[in-house]
Amino acid sequence: DVKVTQSSRYLVKRTGEKVFLECVQDMDHENMFWYRQDPGLGLRLIYFSYDVKMKEKGDIPEGYSVSREKKERFSLILESASTNQTSMYLCASSLLQVNTGELFFGEGSRLTVL
Amino acid sequence: AQSVTQLGSHVSVSEGALVLLRCNYSSSVPPYLFWYVQYPNQGLQLLLKYTSAATLVKGINGFEAEFKKSETSFHLTKPSAHMSDAAEYFCAVSEGNTGFQKLVFGTGTRLLVSP
Repeated sequence: DVKVTQSSRYLVKRTGEKVFLECVQDMDHENMFWYRQDPGLGLRLIYFSYDVKMKEKGDIPEGYSVSREKKERFSLILESASTNQTSMYLCASSLLQVNTGELFFGEGSRLTVL
Repeated sequence: AQSVTQLGSHVSVSEGALVLLRCNYSSSVPPYLFWYVQYPNQGLQLLLKYTSAATLVKGINGFEAEFKKSETSFHLTKPSAHMSDAAEYFCAVSEGNTGFQKLVFGTGTRLLVSP
């Protein structure tokens, strides 16, 4: 089975802190994604990557950056956390031929910024 | 740009009743359409997908969806609800056959099942 693992299920950080959210997949998928999930807004794409060291902005990249140094690992970075970044963050991966549309998701990281 | 609209943020049914979750899409090219399910405290998993083959698509756990181009709809149904179906359901669209794809998700519908 495909497994996408997010390192932290729950985090509490303070405003201004730098936050790292880590995601690892074990199926040699080329594509990796970071989504943000908020009630009533569904999932919104923050960043995605289709290859090592490659990254593309999604729909809401402001306040975030990403890093993909290895194929299996995709990190989301909040340079200076703010309270409006309190949310559920979901990592996903897929094969290069993503027009099949099947994303494999991790269990999510719930971030609270105080 | 493609988009999806899910009518109803919450749907309540009794156990054994028909489940109907609505999804309408907007796309300038023939779309690929998906339903994902999210159980409490878990990530999303694929329930079923339409990729221009049969218009009636069967998924896991007894769910199915029908692609209706004339109505731009892809509603999710299940004949008889079970308590274990209580979850949040997301409809998603991508524009097929145009290279690298991104999925666009709807805002989700939470299904509540009462005994």
